[in-house]
Amino acid sequence: DTEVTQTPKHLVMGMTNKKSLKCEQHMGHRAMYWYKQKAKKPPELMFVYSYEKLSINESVPSRFSPECPNSSLLNLHLHALQPEDSALYLCASSQFRTSGETQYFGPGTRLLVL
Amino acid sequence: GQNIDQPTEMTATEGAIVQINCTYQTSGFNGLFWYQQHAGEAPTFLSYNVLDGLEEKGRFSSFLSRSKGYSYLLLKELQMKDSASYLCAVADTNAGKSTFGDGTTLTVKP
Repeated sequence: DTEVTQTPKHLVMGMTNKKSLKCEQHMGHRAMYWYKQKAKKPPELMFVYSYEKLSINESVPSRFSPECPNSSLLNLHLHALQPEDSALYLCASSQFRTSGETQYFGPGTRLLVL
Repeated sequence: GQNIDQPTEMTATEGAIVQINCTYQTSGFNGLFWYQQHAGEAPTFLSYNVLDGLEEKGRFSSFLSRSKGYSYLLLKELQMKDSASYLCAVADTNAGKSTFGDGTTLTVKP
């Protein structure tokens, strides 16, 4: 199983809502990532978890709150988002948190903030 | 930091060969990835180069010159399904960090 799954596929939320994005992998990978991708732009790294501990936070605003409940799951909690946060949110995983590791991406959650 | 450049768009004909270039200037380097991303889909891994030279994988090949800060992705026998965005990504020595170029949108025409 080389699949990373993400739910929901699409999400529309208001600026006062609280929602969560979910990511799951069953490849035994110990590193998981959140990226944000705007249209016609490359993915931008947000967070990296290694062995269920947050190892990189790319100065992401606190309205995005990541959580790694176990080695297979990664959540991104959203609160008080802005319209400019509308984007495709990609989850990825790799075997370990080393630079040369291939990252496997999920299909993404397309988020629209109204 | 990282500075990565690739052409924005390229067009090629079905059955032809196309080369997508990527140049980079980085403060730390631990390899270069190429990913393919179809519109509305997630990036998928194509290749990884950490040593100089050419890596061939079927219709796709990737080349790296570390001294020149240069890589290319070579696609042979182009098919319509190869129309996609091709992302060059440099792996930082800070483990877990890869910086992506803006991507090259390739359109394959009949």
